Amino acid sequence: NAGVTQTPKFQVLKTGQSMTLQCAQDMNHEYMSWYRQDPGMGLRLIHYSVGAGITDQGEVPNGYNVSRSTTEDFPLRLLSAAPSQTSVYFCASSYSGTLNTEAFFGQGTRLTVV
Amino acid sequence: GNSVTQMEGPVTLSEEAFLTINCTYTATGYPSLFWYVQYPGEGLQLLLKATKADDKGSNKGFEATYRKETTSFHLEKGSVQVSDSAVYFCALSARDTGNQFYFGTGTSLTVIP
Repeated sequence: NAGVTQTPKFQVLKTGQSMTLQCAQDMNHEYMSWYRQDPGMGLRLIHYSVGAGITDQGEVPNGYNVSRSTTEDFPLRLLSAAPSQTSVYFCASSYSGTLNTEAFFGQGTRLTVV
Repeated sequence: GNSVTQMEGPVTLSEEAFLTINCTYTATGYPSLFWYVQYPGEGLQLLLKATKADDKGSNKGFEATYRKETTSFHLEKGSVQVSDSAVYFCALSARDTGNQFYFGTGTSLTVIP
């Protein structure tokens, strides 16, 4: 049981480049989300999805796009990377509509934009 | 709205010392409360949870009690070990936001031998 798998683990981008962070889960969870983790700021929600074909913005969505064509996959796209997007990114999944469920996290992607 | 406030770190303790990390929350409904732990270079893992008032979550010697009257969920451990060195996050999920999670800023704990 793989849980939540994120790729790549590390990435260096030049300003203006685009890339996609991949996230896949094998637990049939409806709810998936992307967070960024910055020192002193905890985890901030970027985008989330409550099911295939449904996405919505979180706290810090600017500069990022998402799509959810299948239950399993929830990729995060950086359209034109900026140094302010240097961060550690986490994908998470959980059951939707069930209050007491926990969120499962991937191992993270450490992104540096130079 | 929903939010979580937790104790600023970093916290440094000697092995076998008592640990408390404070966490308070604001929620419009009746949230579930969680503590997650992040070891260096890894993702977040669930440490414990509580789903209603007066519930006590416990795991690996850690405990936290859901206190509705004080809107708190403080993490405690009676005797910390070097292996407990990690970052600890308090979090809530609320039905009114479709199980979206809200995290505190994290508290870094270092335990020295």
